[in-house]
Amino acid sequence: ETGVTQTPRHLVMGMTNKKSLKCEQHLGHNAMYWYKQSAKKPLELMFVYSLEERVENNSVPSRFSPECPNSSHLFLHLHTLQPEDSALYLCASSPGYSNQPQHFGDGTRLSIL
Amino acid sequence: KQEVTQIPAALSVPEGENLVLNCSFTDSAIYNLQWFRQDPGKGLTSLLLIQSSQREQTSGRLNASLDKSSGRSTLYIAASQPGDSATYLCAVINSNSGYALNFGKGTSLLVTP
Repeated sequence: ETGVTQTPRHLVMGMTNKKSLKCEQHLGHNAMYWYKQSAKKPLELMFVYSLEERVENNSVPSRFSPECPNSSHLFLHLHTLQPEDSALYLCASSPGYSNQPQHFGDGTRLSIL
Repeated sequence: KQEVTQIPAALSVPEGENLVLNCSFTDSAIYNLQWFRQDPGKGLTSLLLIQSSQREQTSGRLNASLDKSSGRSTLYIAASQPGDSATYLCAVINSNSGYALNFGKGTSLLVTP
């Protein structure tokens, strides 16, 4: 079983839908991250959680709402998304949140109609 | 704001060649630098991590160097194979952040048989 698992792998939704992305890590890490990867742009950090506390909210629109119920699970709740939100959303985890190597999942490919 | 640049954007080489991928960053105050590999439709796989106090790291046919003062890193791949075909990403963590990976746009590598 891979260290960081993301579901679903692919998601197509309309702009008025509400959906959630899920990330689960089996590495015993204490920090988890959401990144956005758009075509022709570098990966962008969205949110960081350390020990279930949000450390970083990198100027992300409120239509993205993260949730970290425990150190193994991370969710990204989506509502009223825009076409420019279509991207690959990657989850990562690390042992701590300072100067630690990050381990990534395979991502969720999100398409907004 | 940290800017990470990777050159070239794309590279095609015949099997067996040695090759060098380049990464530069504008702010030398970093904790570490990581090289990742990304296969199409997949997440990131960490290849090498160099701490700011180190000059290089090696893993198998891969060797990464870091010159922090000049803001440069190189990833050397020896005896390239078709299985090395992927996108290679460079990322740095700033000292004043400790956790936020700043990514380049990547180098897309194709190794032809």
